[in-house]
Amino acid sequence: ETGVTQTPRHLVMGMTNKKSLKCEQHLGHNAMYWYKQSAKKPLELMFVYSLEERVENNSVPSRFSPECPNSSHLFLHLHTLQPEDSALYLCASSQSLRGAGEQYFGPGTRLTVT
Amino acid sequence: AQTVTQSQPEMSVQEAETVTLSCTYDTSESDYYLFWYKQPPSRQMILVIRQEAYKQQNATENRFSVNFQKAAKSFSLKISDSQLGDAAMYFCAYRTSYGGSQGNLIFGKGTKLSVKP
Repeated sequence: ETGVTQTPRHLVMGMTNKKSLKCEQHLGHNAMYWYKQSAKKPLELMFVYSLEERVENNSVPSRFSPECPNSSHLFLHLHTLQPEDSALYLCASSQSLRGAGEQYFGPGTRLTVT
Repeated sequence: AQTVTQSQPEMSVQEAETVTLSCTYDTSESDYYLFWYKQPPSRQMILVIRQEAYKQQNATENRFSVNFQKAAKSFSLKISDSQLGDAAMYFCAYRTSYGGSQGNLIFGKGTKLSVKP
């Protein structure tokens, strides 16, 4: 499999559930990203991981917890979410955090919080 | 902080005709990168075209070209000979050249392009 893959593609969860989103990149990239895409809003960067640096967006609530066990895998652990967290969650990767390098995006996980 | 503005929430074009999508940005930096990404319905976002701010020549990729006006902080995308497959959300994005936490993409809200047969 090539590119950036995400599982599951669709997820419905209650506010008391705990679930995880998974992202895997097969491109040999060193940086991975989580974005939140809500209707009529710009893509919001949530977290960035790379071999060199880890960057967190400080405005992300603690109910979202990222994990990057290696350069190919990225997880987003979810717990006690709110209905306003319903959105498309996109994972992306790039060769590094610098330069004009392209970010490659996964297909996204459509999350619905009930 | 840098911002990216796409003032056209929706655009429509007739197949085979030309359409231009607008993007403006605000930055105090002199070195940066600009991108146009395309997100087809229910499909992955892909890069359409990129521009390095230090290059005066406008980038082109087949039917896609940009009009980069650095002084005006404008970065419009022109699609020539529009095809049905061009229908998608188009996002303009900015990236500083400095890397690190400042090197991430800043996106506009997007323009939804419809192509009429």
